[in-house]
Amino acid sequence: AQSVTQLDSQVPVFEEAPVELRCNYSSSVSVYLFWYVQYPNQGLQLLLKYLSGSTLVKGINGFEAEFNKSQTSFHLRKPSVHISDTAEYFCALYSGGYNKLIFGAGTRLAVHP
Amino acid sequence: DGGITQSPKYLFRKEGQNVTLSCEQNLNHDAMYWYRQDPGQGLRLIYYSQIVNDFQKGDIAEGYSVSREKKESFPLTVTSAQKNPTAFYLCASSMGLAAYNEQFFGPGTRLTVL
Repeated sequence: AQSVTQLDSQVPVFEEAPVELRCNYSSSVSVYLFWYVQYPNQGLQLLLKYLSGSTLVKGINGFEAEFNKSQTSFHLRKPSVHISDTAEYFCALYSGGYNKLIFGAGTRLAVHP
Repeated sequence: DGGITQSPKYLFRKEGQNVTLSCEQNLNHDAMYWYRQDPGQGLRLIYYSQIVNDFQKGDIAEGYSVSREKKESFPLTVTSAQKNPTAFYLCASSMGLAAYNEQFFGPGTRLTVL
């Protein structure tokens, strides 16, 4: 079965500090991985995606993620966060067999001044 | 401006009532989706539609119904058979079902059952 596990439900961090949001996945077939951001009471916005090719993926707002097949991980990173990065972040896996995205439970990033 | 609109933003329902959530897109997308979001559980797929007049059940379709009579519209009805309907509902659309097609999300409807 395919699944996505986000290892931290909440991550507090100070402004201008680096951050890593962790995501592990389980899949027996080729994977396509995504990170979405959700600001309070809004829909989701795509940050970045890995479909194939380079394992280091750069996205919007200065975020990047690295696909690691041996560790079945797709961690999201940003070298210096801003207050405006406070939001919930979702890792997702595309299941081709079922034509759907499988989402993790989310990580709430709280950036403090 | 192209995008997805959902209405209403907030919806209150009495137990035993059916209620319909609206989703409209002007992105000319073929595929549309409905997700349910509960705190600490991420998003779960309710229904999806690849094309007009066709739709498929997702993981939690029980107690919900949909229609896809127009390409632009994919309304979701929450029936009285849904035991715990209080949640945040998100509609999304994409060019197609393949992984490389980004899903665009609407702003959501928060449904509360009184």
